[in-house]
Amino acid sequence: EPEVTQTPSHQVTQMGQEVILRCVPISNHLYFYWYRQILGQKVEFLVSFYNNEISEKSEIFDDQFSVERPDGSNFTLKIRSTKLEDSAMYFCASSQAPRPQHFGDGTRLSIL
Amino acid sequence: QKEVEQDPGPLSVPEGAIVSLNCTYSNSAFQYFMWYRQYSRKGPELLMYTYSSGNKEDGRFTAQVDKSSKYISLFIRDSQPSDSATYLCAIQIQGAQKLVFGQGTRLTINP
Repeated sequence: EPEVTQTPSHQVTQMGQEVILRCVPISNHLYFYWYRQILGQKVEFLVSFYNNEISEKSEIFDDQFSVERPDGSNFTLKIRSTKLEDSAMYFCASSQAPRPQHFGDGTRLSIL
Repeated sequence: QKEVEQDPGPLSVPEGAIVSLNCTYSNSAFQYFMWYRQYSRKGPELLMYTYSSGNKEDGRFTAQVDKSSKYISLFIRDSQPSDSATYLCAIQIQGAQKLVFGQGTRLTINP
């Protein structure tokens, strides 16, 4: 069964550094998403991406964050100048239509 | 009032029991309802998706939606130890793309 793949599984970065999280969505999907889950908290929506542009974003998704689909298969989340509070699991998801969404296994981001 | 509320548990039941997991929501604009299962160190795995009031069955799983009460449920019949996981409800507004998740209920099925 096709699946969403995310790399790396664990990323350790110094505070203030930039980090790029990578995702390969399911191949025929058109909608792409990033969510995050801080330890012990709910899964929270960050951003959705459709037709090569951001279609929806949350208040969390400020100027520190950006997304890109650099080629036909990858979808990336860039976090500039990371902060301690950015430590979380980051999940990529994709879908053919706005629902239902299929998730990857996440990247655990640790900011030191 | 929180958008989506879900009892975090933990919930522990013996193998073979019927499990009932529930969420309530506050916004009547929510139209699409999903249940995800999340194993430790894994991403949410889609179990059930529905958009209408009533029941939807898939194998041992039944999703139930009551829009008048703003209440959704997931029933697991003949529960197995492999069903031990965290179960997340996720709800979506018509015309929106973001999913709003509940806190998740941690379920343990004891052999």
